[in-house]
Amino acid sequence: ETGVTQSPTHLIKTRGQQVTLRCSSQSGHNTVSWYQQALGQGPQFIFQYYREEENGRGNFPPRFSGLQFPNYSSELNVNALELDDSALYLCASSTTWTGGRSGNTIYFGEGSWLTVV
Amino acid sequence: QKEVEQDPGPLSVPEGAIVSLNCTYSNSAFQYFMWYRQYSRKGPELLMYTYSSGNKEDGRFTAQVDKSSKYISLFIRDSQPSDSATYLCAMRSSYKLIFGSGTRLLVRP
Repeated sequence: ETGVTQSPTHLIKTRGQQVTLRCSSQSGHNTVSWYQQALGQGPQFIFQYYREEENGRGNFPPRFSGLQFPNYSSELNVNALELDDSALYLCASSTTWTGGRSGNTIYFGEGSWLTVV
Repeated sequence: QKEVEQDPGPLSVPEGAIVSLNCTYSNSAFQYFMWYRQYSRKGPELLMYTYSSGNKEDGRFTAQVDKSSKYISLFIRDSQPSDSATYLCAMRSSYKLIFGSGTRLLVRP
């Protein structure tokens, strides 16, 4: 158990719809990242939130957006869903990245399976 | 060329075998290297975390980093059927992780 919880676990949406996925980070972790994992692929970084602001983004269009709340929980919103958005969406939590030898570790939740039909 | 390359497998071994999983990468600036295990339809679970070059051992698992060759390995001794999963290597690039595509491992009883 990593202490990172995600909801819902599975959902099916129609092309063009919007979806909101939710994540509660591990206690003491103030940084939340979201990743998309297509079938047979490794996770791809979408964006990261720290202190309720996006502070890093991968190669994803603006219809992927997010929020972080004062309790460090987070949401991922995807608008105008496309068939290729079908994937496992993973939330990861960590402490603030400070570099150095010890670095920090990143823990993943179990993910939300999104199917777009 | 992908930043991180990993053979997708599947790799099938008998129970008790020593397993070797590998990744190559292109960015010499990477300093932090991780191995995650992912069971079917589950989230990735952190197995090993290594900083810079060298070896790190934890129980049956040994992680090895060779920065001069841009090559990392995970060895599993006395493999068990419960080790059957997909193994993902990952490298830290500032605030994000860059993953390989994963190697599927099957340990036969």
